[in-house]
Amino acid sequence: KAGVTQTPRYLIKTRGQQVTLSCSPISGHRSVSWYQQTPGQGLQFLFEYFSETQRNKGNFPGRFSGRQFSNSRSEMNVSTLELGDSALYLCASSLGPDWTFGSGTRLTVV
Amino acid sequence: DQQVKQNSPSLSVQEGRISILNCDYTNSMFDYFLWYKKYPAEGPTFLISISSIKDKNEDGRFTVFLNKSAKHLSLHIVPSQPGDSAVYFCAAYIQGAQKLVFGQGTRLTINP
Repeated sequence: KAGVTQTPRYLIKTRGQQVTLSCSPISGHRSVSWYQQTPGQGLQFLFEYFSETQRNKGNFPGRFSGRQFSNSRSEMNVSTLELGDSALYLCASSLGPDWTFGSGTRLTVV
Repeated sequence: DQQVKQNSPSLSVQEGRISILNCDYTNSMFDYFLWYKKYPAEGPTFLISISSIKDKNEDGRFTVFLNKSAKHLSLHIVPSQPGDSAVYFCAAYIQGAQKLVFGQGTRLTINP
């Protein structure tokens, strides 16, 4: 079966711009979550969605937002990009407590 | 507040021997634990998990042990193979909280 698909794989943006990342979960998975990985902070939870509702949110500024569509696909948006937003952004989907991750989107802010 | 800690940033093991990766946690509310393997520029790959009601779970070469009183879990890989070289993350979960809390990772290198 197809895994979690994230697009694009790589992205370069300029400070102040905004970016939208996309995630297609495993078919049948209704829960989608997002994580940020940086060398200094490791893997940090951003937010989790289930049936188009955000159920949990991590400790990130309001510039980070997301949404989930009726087909369970999810997007996350980062506005007013800062250099420190450069990271690997990972999406994961789940039916239960075992989460399957996508390959991630590598965002570089210059 | 690092609730999940992997105190060894790196570990080097000879091929064929046992690799033991350790993880400590502070939050007694965690009721499910997972281990992931990660290569650079890729997402984490799920390896094995354990519920807090168990103390051991085995899957092929991978065994996870949980010591709730010590708030400690470990991943044993036997025998270690070159393809096991990667960064290993332990993660903890509270059923209903819908988020994983990750350790900082341990880089495992298997030497031929």
